[in-house]
Amino acid sequence: QQQVKQSPQSLIVQKGGISIINCAYENTAFDYFPWYQQFPGKGPALLIAIRPDVSEKKEGRFTISFNKSAKQFSLHIMDSQPGDSATYFCAAGPFSSGSARQLTFGSGTQLTVLP
Amino acid sequence: GAVVSQHPSWVICKSGTSVKIECRSLDFQATTMFWYRQFPKQSLMLMATSNEGSKATYEQGVEKDKFLINHASLTLSTLTVTSAHPEDSSFYICSASEYEQYFGPGTRLTVT
Repeated sequence: QQQVKQSPQSLIVQKGGISIINCAYENTAFDYFPWYQQFPGKGPALLIAIRPDVSEKKEGRFTISFNKSAKQFSLHIMDSQPGDSATYFCAAGPFSSGSARQLTFGSGTQLTVLP
Repeated sequence: GAVVSQHPSWVICKSGTSVKIECRSLDFQATTMFWYRQFPKQSLMLMATSNEGSKATYEQGVEKDKFLINHASLTLSTLTVTSAHPEDSSFYICSASEYEQYFGPGTRLTVT
């Protein structure tokens, strides 16, 4: 009930290409879906997050697509750059009292963008 | 975005000793902070939810007597690993929410 399934485990993309990472959740109580980028030895950095009231959110080269009925959401990185090479985690959790609460993380995707 | 700091960034201790890790929200007040643990090339696992002025809520399987959490103010939560052993070596990360959830830079603990 609490799982968040993430795929693929690893992804190699050419510079300028589109990187797509997918996640699926089970708990219908989840209503906050962030994506984090993590470099080795660093804490996760928030990239973009979405609430279920919209089906898509775009910030710069990063877009979240959200399908509430399928309980799936995905991250699209347009014009991928070598500097985007990192591990990406999707997460899901409840949103209450005006802020995000406990998050359940996907297993992570190791993205490599070739120059 | 909001800034969360952690101290120390890395620590090496001997087996049997205790280690304290601090987590601070620098530019906002956080009534709730979260502590995660991450093993190499693995995902983040929530250990506990730290509530200001009250006891922490631990996830199933996390020993509350081993991982002591204190949230004494709206900007500071501490995690103390008591009687540390080599299997406690890990990357510990805290987070706090100001609408979105923001993470600290993490603390690498190595127990020898």
